[in-house]
Amino acid sequence: NAGVTQTPKFQVLKTGQSMTLQCAQDMNHEYMSWYRQDPGMGLRLIHYSVGAGITDQGEVPNGYNVSRSTTEDFPLRLLSAAPSQTSVYFCASWDSGRVTDTQYFGPGTRLTVL
Amino acid sequence: GENVEQHPSTLSVQEGDSAVIKCTYSDSASNYFPWYKQELGKRPQLIIDIRSNVGEKKDQRIAVTLNKTAKHFSLHITETQPEDSAVYFCAASKNDYKLSFGAGTTVTVRA
Repeated sequence: NAGVTQTPKFQVLKTGQSMTLQCAQDMNHEYMSWYRQDPGMGLRLIHYSVGAGITDQGEVPNGYNVSRSTTEDFPLRLLSAAPSQTSVYFCASWDSGRVTDTQYFGPGTRLTVL
Repeated sequence: GENVEQHPSTLSVQEGDSAVIKCTYSDSASNYFPWYKQELGKRPQLIIDIRSNVGEKKDQRIAVTLNKTAKHFSLHITETQPEDSAVYFCAASKNDYKLSFGAGTTVTVRA
């Protein structure tokens, strides 16, 4: 049971380039989300999904797209990278309805946009 | 949307002493309040959480208290140890799938 996995671990992009951050979970969780973490600002929700085929925007969605074609995968696409998107990105998954709604975080992707 | 404020931003304590971190939230409909610990370069990990139908919850050396009327909740760590040094985040949610996080507290335990 690998939990939540993210690839790549590190990425450097040039302004204007596009890329996809991958996230997968093997716990059959319904809910998945993407956060970005910037110094002194905690984690901010980018997009989330409550099931396959269903996605919605979080607090800071501009410049990012998501899709959820399967329960396991929730990729995050940067359409045209900007220096303001330099951050650490965390994917999380959980299965609500239990007594404790524990969000399991992936190991993170550190993205630098030059 | 929900606004979560966390204080203090840094906290230095002597080993064996207690540490307290406080968070306030703005949306009275919030009903789930988790706390995460994040060590340097690692992912956030849930250490304790509380729902709005409970006023206090304890797990060994850590405890969380919730005051719904005042809209604030606190993390208490007793008998601190060097391995408690980390960044701690509080969060609040009213619908289980949209967590709003505080800015974090860097806790340093001095030996």
